[in-house]
Amino acid sequence: GAVVSQHPSWVICKSGTSVKIECRSLDFQATTMFWYRQFPKQSLMLMATSNEGSKATYEQGVEKDKFLINHASLTLSTLTVTSAHPEDSSFYICSARDVAGGYHEQYFGPGTRLTVT
Amino acid sequence: QKEVEQNSGPLSVPEGAIASLNCTYSDRGSQSFFWYRQYSGKSPELIMFIYSNGDKEDGRFTAQLNKASQYVSLLIRDSQPSDSATYLCADGNFGNEKLTFGTGTRLTIIP
Repeated sequence: GAVVSQHPSWVICKSGTSVKIECRSLDFQATTMFWYRQFPKQSLMLMATSNEGSKATYEQGVEKDKFLINHASLTLSTLTVTSAHPEDSSFYICSARDVAGGYHEQYFGPGTRLTVT
Repeated sequence: QKEVEQNSGPLSVPEGAIASLNCTYSDRGSQSFFWYRQYSGKSPELIMFIYSNGDKEDGRFTAQLNKASQYVSLLIRDSQPSDSATYLCADGNFGNEKLTFGTGTRLTIIP
């Protein structure tokens, strides 16, 4: 299957600082990537859809000025958590859609665990 | 608002038995469905996808889709302790849109 990487795998930052998370599709091109957040013992929550070369589409209730998404190439999307606070501590997961096979399946990165102190 | 429903479990199955995971969806027009496995602390891993009514088999896994009943299932044959995880069902609509996930079913295989 297709491989998606994320960096960093975990990060600890102080309240008020910003953190950037990278998502890369390693062996395929992804015109669309998705960013999710997952709190402990809860299901995935879609935050936004990232389209290469255009603005991201945010889900209702997600602050676009706080969670900045950039999808500058067909293999890279970034999520920047700005002015992070402890309540932003969560497991952030990206996924990328591989359309080459025609079935549009999404493959997930390994996730980034963010802790804001 | 599209919805996908799963029994949260936990579902306990003896090792070697068949585990049956079920999912219903609200959008009658949806065409594609995906099953993901998620181990604790890890990201979801795609197991199977299904587009057509009927069964689709891949190794020990069989996905079943019944569009008339708006029902998707995943069967795991010869269950192994390593199959213990949360299984997420997702509605992919026409395949070119975002996924709508169920809340997941936690499966425990008992040795």
